[in-house]
Amino acid sequence: DAKTTQPTSMDCAEGRAANLPCNHSTISGNEYVYWYRQIHSQGPQYIIHGLKNNETNEMASLIITEDRKSSTLILPHATLRDTAVYYCIVRVEVYTSGTYKYIFGTGTRLKVLA
Amino acid sequence: GAVVSQHPSRVICKSGTSVKIECRSLDFQATTMFWYRQFPKKSLMLMATSNEGSKATYEQGVEKDKFLINHASLTLSTLTVTSAHPEDSSFYICSARGTGRYEQYFGPGTRLTVT
Repeated sequence: DAKTTQPTSMDCAEGRAANLPCNHSTISGNEYVYWYRQIHSQGPQYIIHGLKNNETNEMASLIITEDRKSSTLILPHATLRDTAVYYCIVRVEVYTSGTYKYIFGTGTRLKVLA
Repeated sequence: GAVVSQHPSRVICKSGTSVKIECRSLDFQATTMFWYRQFPKKSLMLMATSNEGSKATYEQGVEKDKFLINHASLTLSTLTVTSAHPEDSSFYICSARGTGRYEQYFGPGTRLTVT
């Protein structure tokens, strides 16, 4: 029941902006979009999340389209250490337990090139 | 802040034995913990959600008698793989969510190899 689709892989030159797209056309009105990244054989690291407004923090920016059917994660100045798999995730509510769970997408393997 | 640890980081066990993996939130109280498994070059698949002091909620297709989850305190959850078989070999990752927070913080993962 994947709710997101992402390109399998992308390359980006070091120092340039990396723009990672994600489609989530079936997202519901109260479901948030989260982005995490995973460096080889480690646990995922939180990057950013949003509902409908664009968000920015020290790591990245998140641009969500007005219809909320897609979003783009922007790493403004990619470095070699940003090479990782980036996951676009929808947080869904579990009504039977009153909790939330993440539905992971397949991820985009970003390679930052020197 | 928001550090989650897992132990062990790697474990090799013989087929038919059981293995326990611990997940701890080191600097916050985790009202909810999650267990995922990840096969090579694949995404994370949620196995179960556990709330402190109550039974875990398992995802469809995950055998609750095979993957025993205990969340006895606000800082510790354990996953026990019972009667392990080679097809249980995988990367097991836990995450934790604090009170009043929605983002999950992930542990470093445990690589299980069943021979």
